[in-house]
Amino acid sequence: DADVTQTPRNRITKTGKRIMLECSQTKGHDRMYWYRQDPGLGLRLIYYSFDVKDINKGEISDGYSVSRQAQAKFSLSLESAIPNQTALYFCATSDPGRSTDTQYFGPGTRLTVL
Amino acid sequence: AQKITQTQPGMFVQEKEAVTLDCTYDTSDPSYGLFWYKQPSSGEMIFLIYQGSYDQQNATEGRYSLNFQKARKSANLVISASQLGDSAMYFCAMSQTSGGSYIPTFGRGTSLIVHP
Repeated sequence: DADVTQTPRNRITKTGKRIMLECSQTKGHDRMYWYRQDPGLGLRLIYYSFDVKDINKGEISDGYSVSRQAQAKFSLSLESAIPNQTALYFCATSDPGRSTDTQYFGPGTRLTVL
Repeated sequence: AQKITQTQPGMFVQEKEAVTLDCTYDTSDPSYGLFWYKQPSSGEMIFLIYQGSYDQQNATEGRYSLNFQKARKSANLVISASQLGDSAMYFCAMSQTSGGSYIPTFGRGTSLIVHP
């Protein structure tokens, strides 16, 4: 079984709809991240959380919110989706016990906003 | 602010040859980590190799090595003996400390195509 899972894997929605992307992990890592990937722009950090009580904005947090329900669960919400939020979204975890802070990624959620 | 630059949008290499993917970075933080990730056409992100800013030797992982030149702020990925399965997007990334924790930044990626 995958260590980092994301649901749904694909989603098509309409402008103005509220969308929630969910991420779960079994790696036991405290740190979790949400990124979006757009062609030619690489990955950009939306939000990150270093423990259940710690939530931080990343480079592009406008239009997004997050919830850290437990150590293993980190959800990303789009309160009112717009077409330029069409992208591939990745959840990732990392281990604070290791100085390398390597990112372990979920499989991604492909979101299309019409 | 930190920044990662990958100047090669696309690269081509013949199977079994070596290829170097360029990455330069910019940070004022003395403590940082440099990473390379692979994204095949299936979409998942796969960690390849890590180099710490204080590491004296270049990192190696199988056919992957990281050519770390600290003074030039470069962290190029070298893939030896390319295989068809190496065709993918490759992302360079850096983590810098922020209040004692590491915050990652990614480059825009290089698309590598391996020809038979």
